[in-house]
Amino acid sequence: QKEVEQDPGPLSVPEGAIVSLNCTYSNSAFQYFMWYRQYSRKGPELLMYTYSSGNKEDGRFTAQVDKSSKYISLFIRDSQPSDSATYLCAMSPMIYNQGGKLIFGQGTELSVKP
Amino acid sequence: DADVTQTPRNRITKTGKRIMLECSQTKGHDRMYWYRQDPGLGLRLIYYSFDVKDINKGEISDGYSVSRQAQAKFSLSLESAIPNQTALYFCATSDLQREETQYFGPGTRLLVL
Repeated sequence: QKEVEQDPGPLSVPEGAIVSLNCTYSNSAFQYFMWYRQYSRKGPELLMYTYSSGNKEDGRFTAQVDKSSKYISLFIRDSQPSDSATYLCAMSPMIYNQGGKLIFGQGTELSVKP
Repeated sequence: DADVTQTPRNRITKTGKRIMLECSQTKGHDRMYWYRQDPGLGLRLIYYSFDVKDINKGEISDGYSVSRQAQAKFSLSLESAIPNQTALYFCATSDLQREETQYFGPGTRLLVL
């Protein structure tokens, strides 16, 4: 079993829809949770970062962490065609002094249709 | 100019050949990483380096070697390429104080025939 599981999709939604992207994990030591966005033929870039449980909001994006269920989510409100990309979750037990080693999910390919 | 650059961007090689992928960064970060990305498998860590003198194996280091020539340069070598090393390779950097944020290069597409 992989430490981090993510539905690879592809996921196709109409413009304006609410998108929910999810990851589950097995390592209860994970404390740091990230979402990276990767456009076609580009490298991933950090979208959001959360420590431990709870919610974090940034514009149209909301990240949720439920450590009791070992489940994290990324919600995109009012999705736009420019949101079309692959979204990767990433996790780490403790970032500092651990070399920044992140464990990535497989990535979910999202397409937002005009 | 891009902060993290990779050369070449695309490479086709034959089984058994030695190849080198190069990464340069202008962000001034000490930490550098090499990943490979395969469909359905996500990003997997090959090697990482805390600084010029500190290099560590990642999840899938077999068949690969690295060299940290300077703070800004980190190279990945395939000593004898094999077809299952066909993948998209990314270099990344991070700052000691913000390790959750890794800055990725544009990637190198490698095809081993």
